[in-house]
Amino acid sequence: GAGVSQSPRYKVAKRGQDVALRCDPISGHVSLFWYQQALGQGPEFLTYFQNEAQLDKSGLPSDRFFAERPEGSVSTLKIQRTQQEDSAVYLCASSRESGGGADTQYFGPGTRLTVL
Amino acid sequence: SQQGEEDPQALSIQEGENATMNCSYKTSINNLQWYRQNSGRGLVHLILIRSNEREKHSGRLRVTLDTSKKSSSLLITASRAADTASYFCAIVQTGRRALTFGSGTRLQVQP
Repeated sequence: GAGVSQSPRYKVAKRGQDVALRCDPISGHVSLFWYQQALGQGPEFLTYFQNEAQLDKSGLPSDRFFAERPEGSVSTLKIQRTQQEDSAVYLCASSRESGGGADTQYFGPGTRLTVL
Repeated sequence: SQQGEEDPQALSIQEGENATMNCSYKTSINNLQWYRQNSGRGLVHLILIRSNEREKHSGRLRVTLDTSKKSSSLLITASRAADTASYFCAIVQTGRRALTFGSGTRLQVQP
């Protein structure tokens, strides 16, 4: 079956522009996660949805970052007024379960954002 | 911030040798997972070990977990050039759902 897909794969933005990154999780997966991965580092958690509910947004670095999943499937991560420090790979992951924390997360290929 | 610390940061071995990577963490956990990431590719889940387990095997992979020392190790036996990648440990902290990753070990397997 299809895995997690993300679009666009690459995005170049000028400082101050707004960007929107899309994630299509595996069909039927309840949980969806966003992570940010800086060059040479491990991914860092941004936010988590269970169906359409955003249950944890403790990792969002500022109020310029906003995520939504209005119908409990596709999710969009929006970054307003992008800054150079926002340059990173943004990874989306989904998992089947709705509780327990012991389910495998399946990752998409990521969107590489470069802010000039 | 990243809770996990991998050791070593980089490892270079010859094909056929074993590779061992270590991970330490600081909090109580639900489970610990290992992921592989090839250059330019996404993260691939390798193995999950729960907090009440001590050892787990999957093919050429062997993972141990010592919750008293808050540490884990990943052993790859009979390595292949295709095993060249970055390996990350990630914990699921008690009461949370998100993964908290370490900074990774970059493994190079020379043919």
